[in-house]
Amino acid sequence: NAGVTQTPKFRILKIGQSMTLQCTQDMNHNYMYWYRQDPGMGLKLIYYSVGAGITDKGEVPNGYNVSRSTTEDFPLRLELAAPSQTSVYFCASRRSEGGTEQFFGPGTRLTVL
Amino acid sequence: GQNIDQPTEMTATEGAIVQINCTYQTSGFNGLFWYQQHAGEAPTFLSYNVLDGLEEKGRFSSFLSRSKGYSYLLLKELQMKDSASYLCAVYTGGYQKVTFGTGTKLQVIP
Repeated sequence: NAGVTQTPKFRILKIGQSMTLQCTQDMNHNYMYWYRQDPGMGLKLIYYSVGAGITDKGEVPNGYNVSRSTTEDFPLRLELAAPSQTSVYFCASRRSEGGTEQFFGPGTRLTVL
Repeated sequence: GQNIDQPTEMTATEGAIVQINCTYQTSGFNGLFWYQQHAGEAPTFLSYNVLDGLEEKGRFSSFLSRSKGYSYLLLKELQMKDSASYLCAVYTGGYQKVTFGTGTKLQVIP
């Protein structure tokens, strides 16, 4: 099992550009999450999904969009990138039962200049 | 709403014991997690508590008091490789969402 994979690992965007951060998991987990982590800070929830076709906003959804057409994939779309979106983005997945831990991908380091 | 507080930084000596505290306020509590995150890496799961008391797992133990909204992570026989950030997290919105604290950066010194 590869676990949770994210691409790309690094990216530099110009202000106003758009991009999609890819996330795939091969553990058949129903729940998937997108977090951002600013330097020296904790993780802030952007969006989450409890199954294919179902998504919901987290704490900081503005400037982002998601879709979940399959169990495996949960891409995060940035429209009109802004310097405030410079961060490390982590995707995570877990089983739906209570008490199960999240498995995290290696992260995407995004810089918007 | 929810609020999770942890100390920002701690320093401890190799071989010693350190306790990292976490206090939380949530509307509806369903469990608390501790994760370890080394610099430049993804978080990895350490423990989960839903009932009051102490859960021991090797050198790491986690304690929960639901009535006080309080948890701690206890690390024994500290090793240099334990230098990392330790993140406290709680379920919010049933069992679907997980909210993280800002993390405690632990530095282990010789």
